[in-house]
Amino acid sequence: SQQGEEDPQALSIQEGENATMNCSYKTSINNLQWYRQNSGRGLVHLILIRSNEREKHSGRLRVTLDTSKKSSSLLITASRAADTASYFCATAETSGSRLTFGEGTQLTVNP
Amino acid sequence: NAGVMQNPRHLVRRRGQEARLRCSPMKGHSHVYWYRQLPEEGLKFMVYLQKENIIDESGMPKERFSAEFPKEGPSILRIQQVVRGDSAAYFCASSPNQPGGNTEAFFGQGTRLTVV
Repeated sequence: SQQGEEDPQALSIQEGENATMNCSYKTSINNLQWYRQNSGRGLVHLILIRSNEREKHSGRLRVTLDTSKKSSSLLITASRAADTASYFCATAETSGSRLTFGEGTQLTVNP
Repeated sequence: NAGVMQNPRHLVRRRGQEARLRCSPMKGHSHVYWYRQLPEEGLKFMVYLQKENIIDESGMPKERFSAEFPKEGPSILRIQQVVRGDSAAYFCASSPNQPGGNTEAFFGQGTRLTVV
């Protein structure tokens, strides 16, 4: 499997429900970032969590990072139809000079 | 600050032609990254450049593809003798520091290349 794998690949929920997406990676990282992409558009940065942080909040977003398990989760609370998008995690490896992206989770929030 | 500007947004080329994709990073950003995205897939790293230097081109095909980020002007991703398999969305991102510096990357809207 590749660095930065998201799970599930697709998630469909009702408005008001919470959405949880997971990301696993393989190497040592400096930070992990979550991005959102609306269909046909560029990526928008959501949140960055450093390797020495365990949890971070931003509005309705909550990100956790477990470096011992090499995994992260993104929780979107009280979802809205406008949250419908693809969500990608990206890792900045300690040994590398790039952001490595996963394949993404396609979230659909039904009104 | 206008953000990362990519042009053109859409580019159609016939097989065998050259494609030139431009990226102007955000003001003050000296680090530029190019990624390729196929439909329904994630972003695949191609190349990382700083002003006048290629830092990491390990994701870029050895033939037909080249990138530059001159001292003045935008970064250019050049694809020579395009083939149908080059059809994809190409995204540019910029940052003030490299990713390990704990800063986010800012993405452009992408160039959608279609090879006919």
